[in-house]
Amino acid sequence: EDQVTQSPEALRLQEGESSSLNCSYTVSGLRGLFWYRQDPGKGPEFLFTLYSAGEEKEKERLKATLTKKESFLHITAPKPEDSATYLCAVLGANSKLTFGKGITLSVRP
Amino acid sequence: ETGVTQTPRHLVMGMTNKKSLKCEQHLGHNAMYWYKQSAKKPLELMFVYSLEERVENNSVPSRFSPECPNSSHLFLHLHTLQPEDSALYLCASSPEAGNTIYFGEGSWLTVV
Repeated sequence: EDQVTQSPEALRLQEGESSSLNCSYTVSGLRGLFWYRQDPGKGPEFLFTLYSAGEEKEKERLKATLTKKESFLHITAPKPEDSATYLCAVLGANSKLTFGKGITLSVRP
Repeated sequence: ETGVTQTPRHLVMGMTNKKSLKCEQHLGHNAMYWYKQSAKKPLELMFVYSLEERVENNSVPSRFSPECPNSSHLFLHLHTLQPEDSALYLCASSPEAGNTIYFGEGSWLTVV
C-alpha cells in the first residue's frame, strides 16, 4: 500500500526565515509526486508535479525537489502570505493518488 | 477561479434529509473526482469518473450516491447521513484519470 508521511505537522517561521517541508513516501511505481497549497476554508491549489528523482521545480519563493524516497518543498525568505497548509501526494502504478496529512505553515511578520 | 465550481459552498442538513452537491468543471477534462476531507486526516478518495463512467468506488457507504451526466458535471446525492459525515467535500478534475488533478473550493457539509 502506498504511503505518504509529511513532517513536521506544523511549522512556525519568522518572515524571511527560510526552511524546508518534508514529504517521505513509499509507492509501487511512482508516476508522479504532487504538491498543493490549501488555504483555510478553500480547496487545494496545485503547485508542482515531479516525475523522477533529481527533478526540481520552482515558483516564486518555493522550490520542490525529489529523491527516490522523499520530496522537499523549500521556502526561501517566506512572507506571511505563504501561511497555508501544504499537501503532498503520490500517484502510483495503480493510478491511485495517496495524500499525506499536510503541513501547516505559519509565517509571522 | 479554479475552473472547478462547487455548489453549495455550505450545507447544513438533518439526518433524514436528502440533498445534493453539484460540481461543474470548465477545463475540458475527461475525469472527475469526489474527495472527503476531515480534520487531521488525509484526503480520502470517494469516487472517480472517467468519460462519465464510474471507474472507482472506494468502499463508500451507499448513503452517498454519485451521478455524472456528462464530462463537465458531477453530483453527489446525500441521504440519511450521519454526524460523522460532516466534512469538506471536494470535487476535482483532471485531463485523464491519473493526471494532475485540480480541485474546486469545496462544499462544507454539517450533519445535525
